[in-house]
Amino acid sequence: AQSVAQPEDQVNVAEGNPLTVKCTYSVSGNPYLFWYVQYPNRGLQFLLKYITGDNLVKGSYGFEAEFNKSQTSFHLKKPSALVSDSALYFCAVRDVGSARQLTFGSGTQLTVLP
Amino acid sequence: DSGVTQTPKHLITATGQRVTLRCSPRSGDLSVYWYQQSLDQGLQFLIQYYNGEERAKGNILERFSAQQFPDLHSELNLSSLELGDSALYFCASSVSEIGELFFGEGSRLTVL
Repeated sequence: AQSVAQPEDQVNVAEGNPLTVKCTYSVSGNPYLFWYVQYPNRGLQFLLKYITGDNLVKGSYGFEAEFNKSQTSFHLKKPSALVSDSALYFCAVRDVGSARQLTFGSGTQLTVLP
Repeated sequence: DSGVTQTPKHLITATGQRVTLRCSPRSGDLSVYWYQQSLDQGLQFLIQYYNGEERAKGNILERFSAQQFPDLHSELNLSSLELGDSALYFCASSVSEIGELFFGEGSRLTVL
């Protein structure tokens, strides 16, 4: 079975500082990994994905994520946080070999303080 | 705007009733997914269709059913509703079975 863990329910960071939202995954085969963002009363918006290739993936709004196979992690990062980045962030995984469904983590609430 | 359309946006009904949620995927997307989001359960995968066929099933209750029609729109039917069914129901679509999902704005169901 595939699973995703987001160990932090809440992350607070000051505006202008770098931010990291953590994600670890478990799959039996190779993973497809995704990050999504959800603003209040809205649907999830796709930020970025890792399928194969370069371990550092760049996405929308200046976000990037680093795939680390040995640590089974896919942490979301941004060099300089904005107040408008405050939202709920979800990591998701799909096992390339066996599962069609996308399994989501429990979400991390990011608050960027002015 | 993701291109995925869900109706209705809000729905209030009573226990024991039945409701139907509708989803139109992005143009060209063959896969449709249904998810339930609640405060205590997080984002739970319910069911997936690909070009009219059921492809994967998650934590979907027997009281719930879904289908995808030839024009690729999908409907999620929820029956014998209970208070605990109150949640946001999201539809998502993707062009393939391995690509990223694009989500609609959700249907908020309140069961009183």
